[in-house]
Amino acid sequence: GAGVSQTPSNKVTEKGKYVELRCDPISGHTALYWYRQSLGQGPEFLIYFQGTGAADDSGLPNDRFFAVRPEGSVSTLKIQRTERGDSAVYLCASSLSYVADTQYFGPGTRLTVL
Amino acid sequence: QQQVKQSPQSLIVQKGGIPIINCAYENTAFDYFPWYQQFPGKGPALLIAIRPDVSEKKEGRFTISFNKSAKQFSLHIMDSQPGDSATYFCAASGGNTDKLIFGTGTRLQVFP
Repeated sequence: GAGVSQTPSNKVTEKGKYVELRCDPISGHTALYWYRQSLGQGPEFLIYFQGTGAADDSGLPNDRFFAVRPEGSVSTLKIQRTERGDSAVYLCASSLSYVADTQYFGPGTRLTVL
Repeated sequence: QQQVKQSPQSLIVQKGGIPIINCAYENTAFDYFPWYQQFPGKGPALLIAIRPDVSEKKEGRFTISFNKSAKQFSLHIMDSQPGDSATYFCAASGGNTDKLIFGTGTRLQVFP
């Protein structure tokens, strides 16, 4: 069956611009997670959703980052006024429920801010 | 207290060897400990996971050993193959949230 998909696979933008990264979770998965992975590092938690609501957004670095999941399926991570330090691979994961269930990761979106 | 410390940073073994990767945690609320494998350009994929009610779990060539009192867990890869060459991450979650806290990763290279 289809796994977690993320679009675009690569995004190059200029400093100060706005970007949107999309995640399509596995069908039926109620929990959705966003992580950020810098080169040579482990994924770092950003935010997770149970259904449509953000259950934990403690990992968002500042108010330039925002994520939505309006219908409890697809999620969009939005970054305003991008900075060079935002360059990383943004990973999305989904799980069947929110109770320590297996998280299935997508391939990621590589964001490069010039 | 939220950190998961992973070692070594890199590991080189010959085919058939048994690489061992170690992780340590501080937060006693953690109750789920997965290991992920990541190939270049791909997302992490779950290999095996353990909960603190058991001290060892084996799936195929992969074994997790868990020491609750020492707050440590490790991954052993039996009969390693060149196809196992990848980066391995330990992680932990628990308490009031299911976010995964990842280690810094171990780059494994298995030579024929």
